[in-house]
Amino acid sequence: KNEVEQSPQNLTAQEGEFITINCSYSVGISALHWLQQHPGGGIVSLFMLSSGKKKHGRLIATINIQEKHSSLHITASHPRDSAVYICALTGNQFYFGTGTSLTVIP
Amino acid sequence: SQTIHQWPATLVQPVGSPLSLECTVEGTSNPNLYWYRQAAGRGLQLLFYSVGIGQISSEVPQNLSASRPQDRQFILSSKKLLLSDSGFYLCAWSGISLDTQYFGPGTRLTVL
Repeated sequence: KNEVEQSPQNLTAQEGEFITINCSYSVGISALHWLQQHPGGGIVSLFMLSSGKKKHGRLIATINIQEKHSSLHITASHPRDSAVYICALTGNQFYFGTGTSLTVIP
Repeated sequence: SQTIHQWPATLVQPVGSPLSLECTVEGTSNPNLYWYRQAAGRGLQLLFYSVGIGQISSEVPQNLSASRPQDRQFILSSKKLLLSDSGFYLCAWSGISLDTQYFGPGTRLTVL
């Protein structure tokens, strides 16, 4: 069993839709990260969470430590949001999910 | 501001040839440095991390090695590449604690 599970693996949405990507984990963590990997491969860190909720523009990330679950929400999705979104954990070591590939269609 | 560089951006090498990928960080001192590999269709795999000059920890056994000759320079090497070494190699840095990591642009390696 993987320490980090993301769902869905692939997601296609129409422009303007509200999008949710989920991350569940099974290990103790000090922080959870959401990363965005662009089609060219470059990775950008979106959020680092240890509790509660964070918002940046149209992106919202939440974490429930008791349930070991985090969600990344994108409001009013846009084609430029198309990317792979990766959930990553820091605890005793780093753990990475395999990513959710998001395609937003105009 | 801090920046992280990797080169080359792409590389095609024959099986059995040596490898050297370089990563440098600007604008910060004593960063933690990391090498990751992302194989096609798979998640990121941590290969090496370093908390200081000459201090390298290996996460997975393989035919790759890493060195940190200077505070802000991290090098990934191999004496003889295997087909299975193909992938996308990412360098990252973070502060002293395991906080947010900042990734370089990556090197796409194809071993033929």
